[in-house]
Amino acid sequence: GQQLNQSPQSMFIQEGEDVSMNCTSSSIFNTWLWYKQDPGEGPVLLIALYKAGELTSNGRLTAQFGITRKDSFLNISASIPSDVGIYFCAGQSTSGTYKYIFGTGTRLKVLA
Amino acid sequence: DSGVTQTPKHLITATGQRVTLRCSPRSGDLSVYWYQQSLDQGLQFLIQYYNGEERAKGNILERFSAQQFPDLHSELNLSSLELGDSALYFCASSVNMNTEAFFGQGTRLTVV
Repeated sequence: GQQLNQSPQSMFIQEGEDVSMNCTSSSIFNTWLWYKQDPGEGPVLLIALYKAGELTSNGRLTAQFGITRKDSFLNISASIPSDVGIYFCAGQSTSGTYKYIFGTGTRLKVLA
Repeated sequence: DSGVTQTPKHLITATGQRVTLRCSPRSGDLSVYWYQQSLDQGLQFLIQYYNGEERAKGNILERFSAQQFPDLHSELNLSSLELGDSALYFCASSVNMNTEAFFGQGTRLTVV
C-alpha cells in the first residue's frame, strides 16, 4: 500500500539529546499529523498541522508543515526515557478521498 | 483515552472462519477509518466512512467488508480468514473528513 517516506528508520539517542525526524511525500498534502505508538497500543496523536509553513509545539515536541506541502518535520527536545516508541507521520491528500496515508515510522530508543 | 472504543481487544480464530470487529467512534465524530497493522509494519489504510457512507477505499481485500451504522458505530467483517490476516486492526475517528483522527486501542487478530 501507499506509504510516506519517513527517516530515520530508527535511532538510538542519549537521554537529554534533541531528536529530529522527517517525512516526505511525492504528493501535496493538506494536513500532516504526527503520532506516537507504544507496542501493542493504538497511535496517540501528538500534533496536527493544517497550513504550509505552520510550526506547532506540544510541550517538548515541535512539528512543522513544510512550505512545499510535501514534507513535515518533528523535533523532540531534551529526550527522556518515556519518549521511547515508534513515531508515525500521516498525511491527508488533496485528491478528495480524505484518507490518511501513514509514514513507515521512526523507532526511537533512548539510552538513560 | 482517545474516546474511540474497539471490541474485542483480542481475537483468536481458525483459518476459513469469519469475524466481526466493532468500533465506536468518539462522541460527535462522523468519520471512521479502518487500518491494518501487521507485525512491526506501518499502518495500511483499509476503508473510510463518513456519516454512514463509504468515502475512500484502500487496499482492502474482497474478503473484507465494512459498514457504518446510523448510530455511527462501524464494523469490519473479515471472512475466509488466512494466516496472513493476523494483525492489529485499528479504527480511528474524526469530527469531519479533514480534521485530525483519533485511534482506538485496536483489535489483535490471530488466525491459527
